[in-house]
Amino acid sequence: EADIYQTPRYLVIGTGKKITLECSQTMGHDKMYWYQQDPGMELHLIHYSYGVNSTEKGDLSSESTVSRIRTEHFPLTLESARPSHTSQYLCASSEFKDRDEQYFGPGTRLTVT
Amino acid sequence: LAKTTQPISMDSYEGQEVNITCSHNNIATNDYITWYQQFPSQGPRFIIQGYKTKVTNEVASLFIPADRKSSTLSLPRVSLSDTAVYYCLVGDMVDDKIIFGKGTRLHILP
Repeated sequence: EADIYQTPRYLVIGTGKKITLECSQTMGHDKMYWYQQDPGMELHLIHYSYGVNSTEKGDLSSESTVSRIRTEHFPLTLESARPSHTSQYLCASSEFKDRDEQYFGPGTRLTVT
Repeated sequence: LAKTTQPISMDSYEGQEVNITCSHNNIATNDYITWYQQFPSQGPRFIIQGYKTKVTNEVASLFIPADRKSSTLSLPRVSLSDTAVYYCLVGDMVDDKIIFGKGTRLHILP
């Protein structure tokens, strides 16, 4: 089993609240990713990082922001949650070399009311 | 960035061999082919990866023809627990913009 953790697993929050989704991995992986996935739909890459102090935007435009101050930690923040942010958020990590595989966390299911 | 095309859904029965084919006509020289499996409410899980010819592990086999414009994931003797979405990805793994696509929904029947 991969050592990548996400908290909370489920979150129901009201519109306008600031939220931070946590993602941590203990594998020492340099690369980390955030994906967004609606039920029954495809995954969309929203953020990724090559390592500490590196953050990049993915293919799907997102109002969320990320930071990478420590190798093992890659939190995602929404400054003002809206119902359109309701989705599942999946964090993943991989080693920084070719042909590596991504290890996914269990996900956070976010509902904004 | 190589685009992949795979069937939206497939049904099969327990004990059968299942083959899921993925087309990737514009695959680049440095690209590898990777397959992931995703169960409902879970993150995807790596199944197998290959560059050419055939790769086999304890879970599946991956067949890649010489032109590499397609690949086939083969699951031997499936069970009900193999019901999941299977994604075919193509990329060099260093390029982080790997596209998962819609995947193939495999439904195993008793």
